[in-house]
Amino acid sequence: QSALTQPPSASGSPGQSITISCTGTSSDIGRHDHVSWYQQHPGKAPRLMIYEVSQRPSGVPDRFSGSKSGNTASLTVSGLQVEDEADYYCCTYSHPSNYVFGSGTTVSVL
Amino acid sequence: QLVESGGALVQPGGSLRLSCAGSDSTFSRSWMSWVRQAPGKGLEWVAIMDRDGSSKFYVASVRGRFTISRDNAKNSLYLQLDGLRAEDTAIYYCALHNDWAFDCRGQGTLVTVSS
Repeated sequence: QSALTQPPSASGSPGQSITISCTGTSSDIGRHDHVSWYQQHPGKAPRLMIYEVSQRPSGVPDRFSGSKSGNTASLTVSGLQVEDEADYYCCTYSHPSNYVFGSGTTVSVL
Repeated sequence: QLVESGGALVQPGGSLRLSCAGSDSTFSRSWMSWVRQAPGKGLEWVAIMDRDGSSKFYVASVRGRFTISRDNAKNSLYLQLDGLRAEDTAIYYCALHNDWAFDCRGQGTLVTVSS
């Protein structure tokens, strides 16, 4: 199972919006809504930001939103803030009984 | 809160047992998983098990070498690592698994496989 495809990097100025894509196949992302997103700051554990394509766990700012179209899921960060500078990973369930992460995107706030 | 332990430097072919201690009742109500991250690399799912331990699944690269287990009475999750290889070098995170997503609440434990 290959990793999901993400752009290596993305950037924006404070207050702007950025969108990170995550491309899979019709056998995983295109088959169901079990897509999640994680934020990871250097030296820290990954933090769950989005689950089931667009659901936010308690405590995650509503600046973070998720969506999906076909085989591609997306994470949008609106009103970019300095503390949003981190690595972001998508993840999906891949039948049977397997999970695949994306290659990761480094977000820079200019 | 989850606290991982047991990571160490081990020689190729060696074994380790990782532990993850949970602090509340959410542990016994959750599927549990291990996720790892090699130095400078991305995240990789390793293993998952259901609430009572009757179902266990592994990524292909560790199947037959790693064993996931749990003790709900102790709010503890384990990962037995046998036949370790250099490519198993990573930080290992345990995670609550709900709604098809991973909730990592600890800092991980480092496993280094080297001679």
